[in-house]
Amino acid sequence: DTGVSQDPRHKITKRGQNVTFRCDPISEHNRLYWYRQTLGQGPEFLTYFQNEAQLEKSRLLSNRFSAERPKGSFSTLEIQRTEQGDSAMYLCASTSSQGADTQYFGPGTRLTVL
Amino acid sequence: AQKVTQAQTEISVVEKEDVTLDCVYETRDTTYYLFWYKQPPSGELVFLIRRNSFDEQNEISGRYSWNFQKSTSSFNFTITASQVVDSAVYFCALSETAAGKSTFGDGTTLTVKP
Repeated sequence: DTGVSQDPRHKITKRGQNVTFRCDPISEHNRLYWYRQTLGQGPEFLTYFQNEAQLEKSRLLSNRFSAERPKGSFSTLEIQRTEQGDSAMYLCASTSSQGADTQYFGPGTRLTVL
Repeated sequence: AQKVTQAQTEISVVEKEDVTLDCVYETRDTTYYLFWYKQPPSGELVFLIRRNSFDEQNEISGRYSWNFQKSTSSFNFTITASQVVDSAVYFCALSETAAGKSTFGDGTTLTVKP
């Protein structure tokens, strides 16, 4: 499978715990995006990387959220001290900055905070 | 700021009926890109089409067709002879670039009944 993969697919945690999600983009893609999707809404942009550089962060990304892409390949999204409002689907997408490519989305990680 | 409005929250049709999903957008950019995605119950966003702001030609792909009208800032999606497998949430999205971060509408849930 050469698509975008995300791990885990589902995560249930208690309020106050830290969680970390991983995204593996399509191998030749140098751009990687994180989105959050809550029930009944469309995905909302959180942040994006070009190679290992984090180039933009949404105001939705509070200081409890941190994302990394240390070697310009996979990325992690960590949420510290989770709150019930963090319950959502976290989507990762990747693309190439060359030409007129488009974003390819992974299957998402569904987070439930109890 | 960019905004995408999908006024139809839910649509229900009987198999073989035609159905049109509406999308209205707002942007100050003169160059932009519009997208439609399908999100089946499995959760993964499936790319359907991308259209840039300079290309107002309508497009047809099998049972799918798209009507882009810059004058009304609309990018509507029609499914002809709908099938049960078309049941999903459909999102319209807007981006400044072909591969950049996207602003999504809140989606239209399409149910096709046999």
